[in-house]
Amino acid sequence: GNSVTQMEGPVTLSEEAFLTINCTYTATGYPSLFWYVQYPGEGLQLLLKATKADDKGSNKGFEATYRKETTSFHLEKGSVQVSDSAVYFCALSALEYGNKLVFGAGTILRVKS
Amino acid sequence: GAGVSQSPSNKVTEKGKDVELRCDPISGHTALYWYRQSLGQGLEFLIYFQGNSAPDKSGLPSDRFSAERTGGSVSTLTIQRTQQEDSAVYLCASSLALLADNEQFFGPGTRLTVL
Repeated sequence: GNSVTQMEGPVTLSEEAFLTINCTYTATGYPSLFWYVQYPGEGLQLLLKATKADDKGSNKGFEATYRKETTSFHLEKGSVQVSDSAVYFCALSALEYGNKLVFGAGTILRVKS
Repeated sequence: GAGVSQSPSNKVTEKGKDVELRCDPISGHTALYWYRQSLGQGLEFLIYFQGNSAPDKSGLPSDRFSAERTGGSVSTLTIQRTQQEDSAVYLCASSLALLADNEQFFGPGTRLTVL
């Protein structure tokens, strides 16, 4: 079945450091790919998405590119802020499965000032 | 309402009791999803509705779990004879339609604790 693997955390960075959180997936067909974020005490919210190969999703300085050849969707940000501290979830969905989201385990990001 | 709402926000129950969790999706959203977030299992899909029908119930952990949706709107997740392993945050999400790039909007969740 479909699955998502993302790097384990926690990831601890200093403010203004470069961030990469790796995500790879296994899926039949052509899934849509997502990054969701959960800030402390808040609910899950969509950070960015990409629906086909080579698409780049971007939001709030974060980017991720849908790489079909490597089945990856790595999250990057050039300069993190303390306010980016949160749990990040990579996920996929496929229309043939009702678009239910299959999530990775989540990566805790801590940014120190 | 502006977003997905869930009630109660917290529920503490004793082992063996039944519980009902409610989800109010965003008005006009035809697809509704239930997920569970727990320390050991991460975020797991439970069931989804398209309108009032549930084409995929494959994520329900046991026959103690059931869900329904009425009027294409409110959904209720029922857990009978609760067990300690049912303790988790139950999340509801809705999306406008069943399209590949449709965003799912999540509610704040119901934290269930089974003593």
